[in-house]
Amino acid sequence: RKEVEQDPGPFNVPEGATVAFNCTYSNSASQSFFWYRQDCRKEPKLLMSVYSSGNEDGRFTAQLNRASQYISLLIRDSKLSDSATYLCVVNIPASGGSYIPTFGRGTSLIVHP
Amino acid sequence: GAVVSQHPSRVICKSGTSVKIECRSLDFQATTMFWYRQFPKQSLMLMATSNEGSKATYEQGVEKDKFLINHASLTLSTLTVTSAHPEDSSFYICSARDAASLYEQYFGPGTRLTVT
Repeated sequence: RKEVEQDPGPFNVPEGATVAFNCTYSNSASQSFFWYRQDCRKEPKLLMSVYSSGNEDGRFTAQLNRASQYISLLIRDSKLSDSATYLCVVNIPASGGSYIPTFGRGTSLIVHP
Repeated sequence: GAVVSQHPSRVICKSGTSVKIECRSLDFQATTMFWYRQFPKQSLMLMATSNEGSKATYEQGVEKDKFLINHASLTLSTLTVTSAHPEDSSFYICSARDAASLYEQYFGPGTRLTVT
């Protein structure tokens, strides 16, 4: 079982739709979770951090469910410009008390007119 | 916000040559830097964790003698791909973790390496 898993998609949705992605992780001691956005042939850009209490930024809402070991990203009122790959990052404990950021394979979103 | 630069952004080299990629944190100190590799349509794969002043920790399957990492200062880490082969062609991305943070990291713009 991979440490961080995401449905690669693609999710093909019309403009204005609401779409949600999940990302599961296997290590219950994982800390600190993030969603990144990556456009084709570019570096990942931080979209938002993820907290148990939920985190909302405009049309984007991120949530952490520790009991079920997954994080989610909800995008409301999708725009054409939201088309990208969305990567989740989970910090997994390593030796010496450090944490290693581990990426999921990404979920591709395509928003069409 | 925190800025990480990476140089060069694109490099084409012949098989058998070595290529050095630099990663710099411009406005913060980075005790830890991460090197990732991303093949087309795949996720970022962590290659190694680079800690300032100590040896890098390599992930399983990554050859430390082929991918030399040096993290000599709090703002600079280098990755040298030695004796590059076409299968090393990839997108190499570094990220830097602020010394004050356990978790947050900031990415460089990446280096696209093509080995002919």
